[in-house]
Amino acid sequence: DAGVIQSPRHEVTEMGQEVTLRCKPISGHNSLFWYRQTMMRGLELLIYFNNNVPIDDSGMPEDRFSAKMPNASFSTLKIQPSEPRDSAVYFCASSPVPTSGGLNNEQFFGPGTRLTVL
Amino acid sequence: LAKTTQPISMDSYEGQEVNITCSHNNIATNDYITWYQQFPSQGPRFIIQGYKTKVTNEVASLFIPADRKSSTLSLPRVSLSDTAVYYCLVGAYSGNTPLVFGKGTRLSVIA
Repeated sequence: DAGVIQSPRHEVTEMGQEVTLRCKPISGHNSLFWYRQTMMRGLELLIYFNNNVPIDDSGMPEDRFSAKMPNASFSTLKIQPSEPRDSAVYFCASSPVPTSGGLNNEQFFGPGTRLTVL
Repeated sequence: LAKTTQPISMDSYEGQEVNITCSHNNIATNDYITWYQQFPSQGPRFIIQGYKTKVTNEVASLFIPADRKSSTLSLPRVSLSDTAVYYCLVGAYSGNTPLVFGKGTRLSVIA
């Protein structure tokens, strides 16, 4: 398996532009997480999906952020309009969750997208 | 979710054993203790998990006392490539209530 795939790996944009980050989770994983990491705030959970359904988006900083998961193999995180303070590394992670109870604390992270907003 | 406390940073020389302790006083009965490792410019990677006593794998050992209010990640004979941030997380993810990453412990291995 190729692991979690994220694109682009680097994005440089100007303030006010729309940014779309993409993620392909590991096949068969039914939970997907979007994180943001900065030196100041560390690793923050923005939103997570279970079986393509958003479960908790309380970590999304503002209405400028939105995330979708149209199917089990694809998710997007969109920022519109982008601002310099959005500059960070954005990680996508996926995890298999047992369908009949049980737990799984192991998440598989992608390589991240380094976003710079000028 | 149980709050965790771990040192902000640690230094070690190559070849030494490194022990990173994490406090989690309000751990719940169903919670597991999970450790992740993050190398520079990479996403975090799961390295070990345990519920009680001792767990060992090819990367590390995890020691958990009977009261489970703390845990210690042990890295035997570290090398320069073990320089990373190590996160201690406590919880039990089954589709809701994901684990929370704190600031972690930044381990620097010196030659």
